[in-house]
Amino acid sequence: RKEVEQDPGPFNVPEGATVAFNCTYSNSASQSFFWYRQDCRKEPKLLMSVYSSGNEDGRFTAQLNRASQYISLLIRDSKLSDSATYLCVVTRNTGGFKTIFGAGTRLFVKA
Amino acid sequence: SAVISQKPSRDICQRGTSLTIQCQVDSQVTMMFWYRQQPGQSLTLIATANQGSEATYESGFVIDKFPISRPNLTFSTLTVSNMSPEDSSIYLCSVRRGTEVAVEQFFGPGTRLTVL
Repeated sequence: RKEVEQDPGPFNVPEGATVAFNCTYSNSASQSFFWYRQDCRKEPKLLMSVYSSGNEDGRFTAQLNRASQYISLLIRDSKLSDSATYLCVVTRNTGGFKTIFGAGTRLFVKA
Repeated sequence: SAVISQKPSRDICQRGTSLTIQCQVDSQVTMMFWYRQQPGQSLTLIATANQGSEATYESGFVIDKFPISRPNLTFSTLTVSNMSPEDSSIYLCSVRRGTEVAVEQFFGPGTRLTVL
């Protein structure tokens, strides 16, 4: 089992739809959580950090449930430009600082 | 933020040959990281390049296959040696900024390698 697991994709949604991505992590020592976005043939870039209290950035809302070891990303009013792969990323400092990347969920937003 | 450049951006190579990928960062960093991303997969850490000491390799990766240089605090190279088609992948250079609880990772644009 992978340490960070994400929804299998791809997600195909129309413009304006709300879409939710889920992610679970298996190591309870995980300390920081992020969503990265990777466009086709481009490098990953930080979309937002995820805090226990939840955080929102415009149309994007991220939530963390430490008890369930679960992270989510909600995108409201999807735009064509949201089409990308969304990577769930977790860090921990056990046996050295490590960053663990999920396999990513592909999103296609259609007109 | 960090600005990272990589060369070459892509290459097509014959099996048995070697390719050296260069990574340049716009400011000094203690550690630079080399990742591999195979088609449809997520990122896998190959090694951490430390300035002034040998690179630290992750399980499944060895120095003979992926020798790394780190001559100064802004530059590193990764060589993919004796290539086979299984080495076809995107290779990404990366640095981290921030603290352990608020760290952001920045990536170079990647080198897309195809081995025939």
